[in-house]
Parts: sequence; C-alpha cells; structure tokens
Amino acid sequence: SQQGEEDPQALSIQEGENATMNCSYKTSINNLQWYRQNSGRGLVHLILIRSNEREKHSGRLRVTLDTSKKSSSLLITASRAADTASYFCATVSGFNKFYFGSGTKLNVKP
Amino acid sequence: NAGVMQNPRHLVRRRGQEARLRCSPMKGHSHVYWYRQLPEEGLKFMVYLQKENIIDESGMPKERFSAEFPKEGPSILRIQQVVRGDSAAYFCASSPLPPAGANTGELFFGEGSRLTVL
Repeated sequence: SQQGEEDPQALSIQEGENATMNCSYKTSINNLQWYRQNSGRGLVHLILIRSNEREKHSGRLRVTLDTSKKSSSLLITASRAADTASYFCATVSGFNKFYFGSGTKLNVKP
Repeated sequence: NAGVMQNPRHLVRRRGQEARLRCSPMKGHSHVYWYRQLPEEGLKFMVYLQKENIIDESGMPKERFSAEFPKEGPSILRIQQVVRGDSAAYFCASSPLPPAGANTGELFFGEGSRLTVL
C-alpha cells in the first residue's frame, strides 16, 4: 500500500503541552501533506512539505520530513482545546495521486 | 468562492437500491477525488477524475461502483444494489490543475455524504 501510517493512533494531552504525531510511508513521494478533520466534518489542509525539504513551519505547526527513513512528523506546540481533532498525513506521488493514512486522534484536555 | 459542495449530506437506502452522491468542485478546479471513510478510520482512495476522464480508479470496487465527471455538471459517485457494507462517509475533494511540470497543491474537501444502508 502507498498509504501513510500515523502513529500513535490516539493521543491525549493537557492544554499547553506539545503534541507530536508521526507518519511513515512506503514509496517515493513528490510531497507530503498534513490535514486535520474535526468530528463529522471534511478534511482541511494544514501544511505541505516537498520531498527536497527537511523542515517547515507554519504558526504553531512544525513538520519534518526524512525521505531516507520515509517518515514525517507533525508537531503542534502549546496545544489548545480547539486543536482536538484527527490528523492525517497524505503522501502525494506520481501525477497528483493523494493517499491518506489512518490518522491520529488528538484530544487536548482543557 | 463557494467551497466543494456535496449532496446529499445524509442518504438512507435499503439493500438493493441505488445511491447517487454528487460533488461540485470549487470554481476553477478540474480535478476531483472520491474517498470513503468508515467510522474512526482513515480515508480510502476510490477514484481520481478530471473532466470527462477517469485518471485512476484503482481504489474503486469493480462491481456496483462507478464515477463520472462530465463536461458540465457535478461529479457523480454511483453505487448500485447497495449492501450494508457500503454504509460509510464518502468525501469528495477537488484541486486545480497543477502548474506545468509541478506536482504540488492541496486538496479541498467537501463535508461528505453519509450513506446508511438499512
């Protein structure tokens, strides 16, 4: 399967703590993206990192990519209760082919 | 600029009936993707279409499922003779044509159509 696999499946932290989610994949990619899904809603794009990039920041989000290990991590710093959601990585390969992992369910306790 | 519109949001069908799910992509987007999501699970790729073309249908079951994206009108995901196992949320996403030689860009998702088969 080309799909990414997130780890852990579920994560529960206190508000203010950092949350780290990992994604592993199997094939070569053009880029890797992270999405967020609130319960019962569609996915929303968070951040994209290209295959020739190693790290990227956007606000409280930090994404790393290690193509030699075929893995990526998403760090959310100073988490808030509103960050409670499921987070998915998506690998993009070939011509615009997107494959999603199984997600990490994050619960941030106020 | 309206987002990706999916309808119906909820659909109930009895076993053996047909389900038709519609997706209008964002204005200017020529690529449409369909994904299926079971409760508490990830998104499973089904099909990738451009206007009047199926680019990749490797995730679509070979029987009972079909998809189209006509020159005019929304993309349609059609499930014939539904069974209980077809109960799921079906998400549509769209993206614009990437610049020549590039493979970047993000997907814009609709809110999903939730199919319940009784």
